[in-house]
Amino acid sequence: DAGVIQSPRHEVTEMGQEVTLRCKPISGHDYLFWYRQTMMRGLELLIYFNNNVPIDDSGMPEDRFSAKMPNASFSTLKIQPSEPRDSAVYFCASSLPGRGRGNTIYFGEGSWLTVV
Amino acid sequence: RKEVEQDPGPFNVPEGATVAFNCTYSNSASQSFFWYRQDCRKEPKLLMSVYSSGNEDGRFTAQLNRASQYISLLIRDSKLSDSATYLCVVSSSGGYQKVTFGTGTKLQVIP
Repeated sequence: DAGVIQSPRHEVTEMGQEVTLRCKPISGHDYLFWYRQTMMRGLELLIYFNNNVPIDDSGMPEDRFSAKMPNASFSTLKIQPSEPRDSAVYFCASSLPGRGRGNTIYFGEGSWLTVV
Repeated sequence: RKEVEQDPGPFNVPEGATVAFNCTYSNSASQSFFWYRQDCRKEPKLLMSVYSSGNEDGRFTAQLNRASQYISLLIRDSKLSDSATYLCVVSSSGGYQKVTFGTGTKLQVIP
């Protein structure tokens, strides 16, 4: 079974360039999450969607970041313009809704972004 | 106060040792609790859920203490392959879910 698929796996870009990260959630999952992980701050939730609708984007650091989910099988996280401090691993994750005991979040392998 | 707090470690333990991690959470309304494992340069993966009655999975035991608002993970007979970062996860359920990850506790099992 295919898990959460992210692309690109690695990206090196110059400051000021636009970066687009892509994600395909597990089929049938109606929650999609974008996380950012750095050594200093750990795993931070940027935004999550339920049934393609953004529910909580309070973790998006600033207006340079935007996320979309045009359909149930695709989401993008865009950074424009990128800055060196955006260098991090960006994880996309998906899950089914909780059923009392909560639910498992499945992560993609991450997109390793370096902004120089 | 952070929503979820963990000792970052590292915990360096010899093979065969027993090691325990604690994690505290601030939201008393939290309903679901998990431990995730993250290997170096890999994505986090679910290790086990934490139930109110406590639960065990082989060498791993998870406990929840709602009164003191902490969860724990006990690993017995540590293996080299247990070396990883262990993330505490707390979730509030309801109309939508809000999931918060701790920053993780690093475990290094030494031969």
